[in-house]
Amino acid sequence: DSGVTQTPKHLITATGQRVTLRCSPRSGDLSVYWYQQSLDQGLQFLIQYYNGEERAKGNILERFSAQQFPDLHSELNLSSLELGDSALYFCASSVDPRGEQFFGPGTRLTVL
Amino acid sequence: SQQGEEDPQALSIQEGENATMNCSYKTSINNLQWYRQNSGRGLVHLILIRSNEREKHSGRLRVTLDTSKKSSSLLITASRAADTASYFCATDAGAGGTSYGKLTFGQGTILTVHP
Repeated sequence: DSGVTQTPKHLITATGQRVTLRCSPRSGDLSVYWYQQSLDQGLQFLIQYYNGEERAKGNILERFSAQQFPDLHSELNLSSLELGDSALYFCASSVDPRGEQFFGPGTRLTVL
Repeated sequence: SQQGEEDPQALSIQEGENATMNCSYKTSINNLQWYRQNSGRGLVHLILIRSNEREKHSGRLRVTLDTSKKSSSLLITASRAADTASYFCATDAGAGGTSYGKLTFGQGTILTVHP
């Protein structure tokens, strides 16, 4: 158990819908990261937050957005969902951005 | 797009044998990390090696880094069936300030250890 929690574990929804994935980092970790893992793209960095502020963006679609709240939990919002958005979405946290990242168990999103 | 290329894509060995996985990358890095993933589950951090380090050990794991060749290897000695998993290298190309933490992953090596 990494100490990072993600909810829900599984999400099945339809094209065009909007979903919110939630992440609670390890106690004391100020940095939160979101990654997408799919069969065709592999593991891709989406976005990074540090103590509530956005630090870095990867190849995150404009339909996706995220935020980190004052209690340090983070949410990833995916809207206008397409079939290709079906993937595993991981949240990770770290105490130092230059150090190891601790990954949550992931949310498996299926868009039908 | 992914920075790293991992080799081999799949590796099948018997318990007790050593497993070696290689990772190559394209840009200068701050550090390189290895992670393990059991079938569709979360990633587990194994080891981090910084750009000014050449070798690191952790239990049965040995990681080397050659920045001149932009490559790294992960050696698992005396493998066990429980080591069966996918192994990923990830690079952090951060170069100062607030740029650290954006990991770029390779496509992974699937390791199968037969009892």
